[in-house]
Amino acid sequence: AQSVAQPEDQVNVAEGNPLTVKCTYSVSGNPYLFWYVQYPNRGLQFLLKYITGDNLVKGSYGFEAEFNKSQTSFHLKKPSALVSDSALYFCAVRDANTDKLIFGTGTRLQVFP
Amino acid sequence: DTEVTQTPKHLVMGMTNKKSLKCEQHMGHRAMYWYKQKAKKPPELMFVYSYEKLSINESVPSRFSPECPNSSLLNLHLHALQPEDSALYLCASSQESGLLNQPQHFGDGTRLSIL
Repeated sequence: AQSVAQPEDQVNVAEGNPLTVKCTYSVSGNPYLFWYVQYPNRGLQFLLKYITGDNLVKGSYGFEAEFNKSQTSFHLKKPSALVSDSALYFCAVRDANTDKLIFGTGTRLQVFP
Repeated sequence: DTEVTQTPKHLVMGMTNKKSLKCEQHMGHRAMYWYKQKAKKPPELMFVYSYEKLSINESVPSRFSPECPNSSLLNLHLHALQPEDSALYLCASSQESGLLNQPQHFGDGTRLSIL
């Protein structure tokens, strides 16, 4: 079965510092990986997706994700964090057998001024 | 701005009421989804419609009844709900079911409270 894991419930970072939100995956076959962000009282917003062959994927709002096949990871990164980046981040994988989107447990990012 | 519109934004209802949640998208997407999300948890899939036909029902209780009147609209009819059904209900759409590299686009949800 396909799955993703987000090992950190919360990540704290100072504004202007680089941030990383971790995600590891377990899939059979090709990985179809996504990152979403959820601001308070809002739905999920699509940030980026893994594209086969690209180890560094660029997405919305200055976010990027680094795909590492040997470590089965798809970590979300940003070179310089903003207070407005504070939100709940979900990593997700598309299950090729069922077409379901399977979410990680989420990581709360807190950026301090 | 979200391209998937959900109404109402908030809904409070008693356990004997009947109400409906509505979702609309104009992106030409042919797959639409209902999710339930509890606070600080990931969304849980409830139903999937593909080309206006129900393709997945995640063993959801019959007090939740989905309907897809056309390719742009998705409804969720509610009847005799329980307090544990209080949650954020999210609608999503994607280009087509089965296109695994296409993202799902979410609405802002309806926050439902059952008294």
